[in-house]
Amino acid sequence: GQQLNQSPQSMFIQEGEDVSMNCTSSSIFNTWLWYKQDPGEGPVLLIALYKAGELTSNGRLTAQFGITRKDSFLNISASIPSDVGIYFCAGPFPTGTASKLTFGTGTRLQVTL
Amino acid sequence: DSGVTQTPKHLITATGQRVTLRCSPRSGDLSVYWYQQSLDQGLQFLIQYYNGEERAKGNILERFSAQQFPDLHSELNLSSLELGDSALYFCASSVGLNSPLHFGNGTRLTVT
Repeated sequence: GQQLNQSPQSMFIQEGEDVSMNCTSSSIFNTWLWYKQDPGEGPVLLIALYKAGELTSNGRLTAQFGITRKDSFLNISASIPSDVGIYFCAGPFPTGTASKLTFGTGTRLQVTL
Repeated sequence: DSGVTQTPKHLITATGQRVTLRCSPRSGDLSVYWYQQSLDQGLQFLIQYYNGEERAKGNILERFSAQQFPDLHSELNLSSLELGDSALYFCASSVGLNSPLHFGNGTRLTVT
């Protein structure tokens, strides 16, 4: 089935550093969503992107919908310890149907003080 | 708090048994989704309901079934449980068919 590939798979960064992660697909998506999952909890929606080329910010988070509609990236600026968690990209697939969300493989972020 | 309520939070049962997981969607949301997350794995889509009707099916085993009731809450039934069914089961809801999903905190199922 359709898979969204996220990179990096995991990352260790120091508090205060900026973080960048991306998500790619072999298929076109009309919507890109970014979620964060804390240990033992459900994923929480961070940012939703609906238009190719769209750049959206939510506090220290910035996400972009790639022009080709096959990729998206998420940046976190000035990371803090509570940014720790797993970040998932997601998109509705197949495109245009009343469809299920397909989730990426996840990027695990760990922040050291 | 996402507004999606899942019960129970934890469930421990033996192989061969049957369990029911319950989900109450956010107020106003018509669509309910079920996902399975095994240890250190991504989220695998199981099934989606919209206003009481099944709309999409993922990799859901035949031993699993679900339904959405008139009051829009949903139940996921897992039967003939196997050790490999141990996982976190998440329910999510959305306003419409292609709206962003909001997840509950999951039910952790342990099959012994």
